[in-house]
Amino acid sequence: NAGVTQTPKFQVLKTGQSMTLQCAQDMNHEYMSWYRQDPGMGLRLIHYSVGAGITDQGEVPNGYNVSRSTTEDFPLRLLSAAPSQTSVYFCASRPLVARKEELFFGEGSRLTVL
Amino acid sequence: SQQGEEDPQALSIQEGENATMNCSYKTSINNLQWYRQNSGRGLVHLILIRSNEREKHSGRLRVTLDTSKKSSSLLITASRAADTASYFCATDAKGNTGKLIFGQGTTLQVKP
Repeated sequence: NAGVTQTPKFQVLKTGQSMTLQCAQDMNHEYMSWYRQDPGMGLRLIHYSVGAGITDQGEVPNGYNVSRSTTEDFPLRLLSAAPSQTSVYFCASRPLVARKEELFFGEGSRLTVL
Repeated sequence: SQQGEEDPQALSIQEGENATMNCSYKTSINNLQWYRQNSGRGLVHLILIRSNEREKHSGRLRVTLDTSKKSSSLLITASRAADTASYFCATDAKGNTGKLIFGQGTTLQVKP
């Protein structure tokens, strides 16, 4: 099993450019989420989804869009990148069944916006 | 604001010593989880404690939960250099459809 796969691992953008961070999981998990990690801030939830066609905002959703057309994929879109979006982004998933609450994380995507 | 606040932010100990990290949170929870992150890697789940549990063990890990004080602690006994990592608590708040909110983390350094 590949688990949670994130691409790209590294990306450099210029202010105003757009891009999509890809996240795919092969565990048939209903729940998927995106976090950003900044020094001294821990992980902050950007968006999450409890199934195909359903998305919701987390703590810091501004500047990001998501969609969930399949169970496997949950891409994160930056429409117009800003330096404040320089961060490490983590995708995580879990099944939505009782007593299986642990999140499975990808290895992260490190984004620099110049 | 974040649900979990961790203390201390950084901890440095010698191999063989015990390491204790604390987490406080703000709202009622379904469960509280602890994760580990090695430098440059994703987070890995360590242990989960439910709101009706007070203590849980897994190998060298011991987690306690005090819902009246809205706090939890993670104890790593007989630490090893390989335990060097950042540790995060995360809360699954009641009524939140399974989303986890993380604390800021504790960076643990275990010196050989």
